[in-house]
Amino acid sequence: SQQGEEDPQALSIQEGENATMNCSYKTSINNLQWYRQNSGRGLVHLILIRSNEREKHSGRLRVTLDTSKKSSSLLITASRAADTASYFCATVSSSGNTPLVFGKGTRLSVIA
Amino acid sequence: EAGVTQFPSHSVIEKGQTVTLRCDPISGHDNLYWYRRVMGKEIKFLLHFVKESKQDESGMPNNRFLAERTGGTYSTLKVQPAELEDSGVYFCASSQKPSWTGELFFGEGSRLTVL
Repeated sequence: SQQGEEDPQALSIQEGENATMNCSYKTSINNLQWYRQNSGRGLVHLILIRSNEREKHSGRLRVTLDTSKKSSSLLITASRAADTASYFCATVSSSGNTPLVFGKGTRLSVIA
Repeated sequence: EAGVTQFPSHSVIEKGQTVTLRCDPISGHDNLYWYRRVMGKEIKFLLHFVKESKQDESGMPNNRFLAERTGGTYSTLKVQPAELEDSGVYFCASSQKPSWTGELFFGEGSRLTVL
């Protein structure tokens, strides 16, 4: 299975601190995507990083990808209470033409 | 522009009953996906439509689940008869391009509780 596995399962930090979440997967990928889910809401796409990329930025988000270790990390800088949500990584197999495969997610709590 | 809408937001049924979930994708999105999250577990793929055709239904758990997308517009997911293990949140997502090329737009989910 290429299922992504996020780590940690839950993370609690103070507002203003940085939050780092990790994702590991098992097979070769075409790309890896991060999504956020606020409680009771749908998933929202945050960022996509392709297998030939090592790092991408979007606002306060920084994503890295290490294909040799089959892992990715999502860094949220200067966190805010509004960042409280579950974060999921999702992978697309390098064979293509396959659906996104999600992990169990990391539950982030940012305390004001 | 309206997002992906799902109905109902929450359904509580008895084991053995039937439930039909509906998803209205974003207008113009040919690709429609169903996913399910059982509490505490990963979000699992169920199936993928391209317009009205089933592109991939490898994630459908068994023949108690029937998905349709009449005319390539909205989609329904019927569970008949429902079992306890079917409880969870059913997400629908849509996209212009297939998911392996870009982002999916998700609805807020339909929470199904089977008693």
